[in-house]
Amino acid sequence: GAVVSQHPSRVICKSGTSVKIECRSLDFQATTMFWYRQFPKQSLMLMATSNEGSKATYEQGVEKDKFLINHASLTLSTLTVTSAHPEDSSFYICSARDIVRLVGEETQYFGPGTRLLVL
Amino acid sequence: GQQLNQSPQSMFIQEGEDVSMNCTSSSIFNTWLWYKQDPGEGPVLLIALYKAGELTSNGRLTAQFGITRKDSFLNISASIPSDVGIYFCAGRRNQFYFGTGTSLTVIP
Repeated sequence: GAVVSQHPSRVICKSGTSVKIECRSLDFQATTMFWYRQFPKQSLMLMATSNEGSKATYEQGVEKDKFLINHASLTLSTLTVTSAHPEDSSFYICSARDIVRLVGEETQYFGPGTRLLVL
Repeated sequence: GQQLNQSPQSMFIQEGEDVSMNCTSSSIFNTWLWYKQDPGEGPVLLIALYKAGELTSNGRLTAQFGITRKDSFLNISASIPSDVGIYFCAGRRNQFYFGTGTSLTVIP
């Protein structure tokens, strides 16, 4: 299957600092990438949809000025958590959409996740 | 948001037993996907289904896209300890929606 990488895998930062997380599709081009947040023992919560060359679409309740998303190329999307606070501590996972064979047959491949701890 | 009901929520089984889990919805989906997530890792795609009635296998795993397009199941045969993890279903209409997960524990 397709490979999606995510960097860093874990980060610890002080409250008030900003943290950037990178998501890369390694062997395919992804016009659309997704950013999720996951709390312990819970399902994935979609934060935003990142479209190459255009503004990201944020889910209701997600602050776009807090979670900055940039999708500058077909293989890279970044999520920047600005002025991080302890409540932003979580597991952040990106995914990339891949069209398998025909339009309409698509799937998502996930990155390995980034564990963020804000002190 | 769109509701995907995944059951059971958790399972504790003996090694060698078969496992069955399913996802249902009140809405129709065009795609069903099944993922496995290990602790501290991202979900890994197991099986993708694109047509109603489609039955697809991946080793000991078998999944089916329900005829009504509102449900899907995943079966694991002859479970082994490394099957432990959380299994998520995902359905796609205009976007992807995820189930709440099934936590599987395999007792050696």
